[in-house]
Amino acid sequence: EDKVVQSPLSLVVHEGDTVTLNCSYEVTNFRSLLWYKQEKKAPTFLFMLTSSGIEKKSGRLSSILDKKELFSILNITATQTGDSAVYLCAWEPSGTYKYIFGTGTRLKVLA
Amino acid sequence: DVKVTQSSRYLVKRTGEKVFLECVQDMDHENMFWYRQDPGLGLRLIYFSYDVKMKEKGDIPEGYSVSREKKERFSLILESASTNQTSMYLCASSPGTGEAFFGQGTRLTVV
Repeated sequence: EDKVVQSPLSLVVHEGDTVTLNCSYEVTNFRSLLWYKQEKKAPTFLFMLTSSGIEKKSGRLSSILDKKELFSILNITATQTGDSAVYLCAWEPSGTYKYIFGTGTRLKVLA
Repeated sequence: DVKVTQSSRYLVKRTGEKVFLECVQDMDHENMFWYRQDPGLGLRLIYFSYDVKMKEKGDIPEGYSVSREKKERFSLILESASTNQTSMYLCASSPGTGEAFFGQGTRLTVV
């Protein structure tokens, strides 16, 4: 069974810290990996990664995929209280239209 | 902007009732999904649909059915609501591959 594991489950940091969130998977073939941020209700899209070793960046957030080692990381530098959220990763397996989500990492940034 | 709209934000229903959760998207997306989200379990796929009148079971379809009579609308039906179906329900749509867009969620409480 395809499985996505995120770590840590939760994290508390202070403003200005840098955090690294991990997503590992046991999916044999896939099309893409996606990262979402969920603050209160609807998850909002952050990144989609399809190629190994290529970093995607958006402001203080960046993400990279390692297809060989089967993991992805999401980095947030100079964290702010507005970064407090649950961060979800999801895999899109090949040959299917569905997304398999991890359990998420709950990040709390203290002022 | 893509919009995915769920008909209710909060619902309270009694055990044994038939419950309908409605989801509408306005971007002509092929694929639509229903997930439930529970603490510590992440997002789990209930059903998805890749075309009108087409559906596939996700990981936890028991106790649920779906209907997709029109491309823009995907309904989740709880045939006989039970207390273990108390959860946050999230609808999503996607154009085929890549980013999925989520609705605001429906928090269902079954008493």
